[in-house]
Amino acid sequence: DTEVTQTPKHLVMGMTNKKSLKCEQHMGHRAMYWYKQKAKKPPELMFVYSYEKLSINESVPSRFSPECPNSSLLNLHLHALQPEDSALYLCASSQPSTGSPLHFGNGTRLTVT
Amino acid sequence: QQPVQSPQAVILREGEDAVINCSSSKALYSVHWYRQKHGEAPVFLMILLKGGEQKGHDKISASFNEKKQQSSLYLTASQLSYSGTYFCGTETSGTYKYIFGTGTRLKVLA
Repeated sequence: DTEVTQTPKHLVMGMTNKKSLKCEQHMGHRAMYWYKQKAKKPPELMFVYSYEKLSINESVPSRFSPECPNSSLLNLHLHALQPEDSALYLCASSQPSTGSPLHFGNGTRLTVT
Repeated sequence: QQPVQSPQAVILREGEDAVINCSSSKALYSVHWYRQKHGEAPVFLMILLKGGEQKGHDKISASFNEKKQQSSLYLTASQLSYSGTYFCGTETSGTYKYIFGTGTRLKVLA
């Protein structure tokens, strides 16, 4: 059983839709991450929250809006996406200390039509 | 800034050995190795710490050369289950900026 849960597993949305991706972890980790992964490429860092505060935004377009309601939950709100945003979106968590590995959810496969 | 992995891809027969390298232009304090199977999330394999400490996992081991800013993953007597894409991952110390290497696709044939 994965300890980081992402929903939904698959999402198809039009360019005018608004949708949200959800991520939940119960490992007591205080750092949470969003990554975008295209086929045959490494995961690309988008956002990092540490202790529920946004620590890193890797110049991600404003059509992606992250939210961290509490230490266990992480959301990614999507609005007016483009077809090139279609990808696998991965959530991960870790202890916020140097040397801690990431624990990933199973990802959301997003298709923008 | 992204660590560079070599080789990009490798094909093995069951029982053969392989080495995957991860090189960085920045100082590395710790390196993690992950394996990702097609359509799945990356799974953490092992951690390498500053000082060259080597950690093992079954027939997979790794080393960390601080001087060369390089980590190497050794797969011994490969099994079919080893197939997947291997990534090294590292964080710029104290920043939470955790990035992955370019990846190595490994396929083990029966």
